[in-house]
Amino acid sequence: EAQVTQNPRYLITVTGKKLTVTCSQNMNHEYMSWYRQDPGLGLRQIYYSMNVEVTDKGDVPEGYKVSRKEKRNFPLILESPSPNQTSLYFCASSLSVLTQEQFFGPGTRLTVL
Amino acid sequence: SQKIEQNSEALNIQEGKTATLTCNYTNYSPAYLQWYRQDPGRGPVFLLLIRENEKEKRKERLKVTFDTTLKQSLFHITASQPADSATYLCALDRTGANNLFFGTGTRLTVIP
Repeated sequence: EAQVTQNPRYLITVTGKKLTVTCSQNMNHEYMSWYRQDPGLGLRQIYYSMNVEVTDKGDVPEGYKVSRKEKRNFPLILESPSPNQTSLYFCASSLSVLTQEQFFGPGTRLTVL
Repeated sequence: SQKIEQNSEALNIQEGKTATLTCNYTNYSPAYLQWYRQDPGRGPVFLLLIRENEKEKRKERLKVTFDTTLKQSLFHITASQPADSATYLCALDRTGANNLFFGTGTRLTVIP
């Protein structure tokens, strides 16, 4: 089944403890992206990647890192999480930068205490 | 900076009627605009895309219009059903590089 998977789905952590949220897609998509969704603010893009080893900042990149060493994986790294990073995170992918339909993962609900 | 407004946070409609959701944007016109559906606790699901040179697009009971003069897109669901109840998001590409900017969504409830 074609899909975008994220792990973990739920995570409660403490301030300053490094964490990684994994994202993987099995559709051979070139483009991948991370969003966070907060009440009243909607979905905001954190980082995106147009292809392997090519990443760029979205609207709210502060406090996040990403890497794209393989086409299928696009992990989101929080080196020192803070409470204001408590949010619902979505990974998405599309065939290419020219193919606009994006496929979203199921989401990761992160709480930073 | 670019801003998207979706007409209302919530919309209630009777089953069988046509639901109309509005998406207004400011500043420059995007090359295309997309609509997504999001159910509680789940990721958005793509519904329709309309390009700036298209006035209207249809898919089954869904219809999207795009008026670049008014800077507005309308999303219609005809013969609405309770299963259509969800939050609907509009999104536009700001850079031409598939970097979507989303509205905050309209939560539609179809009442049986």
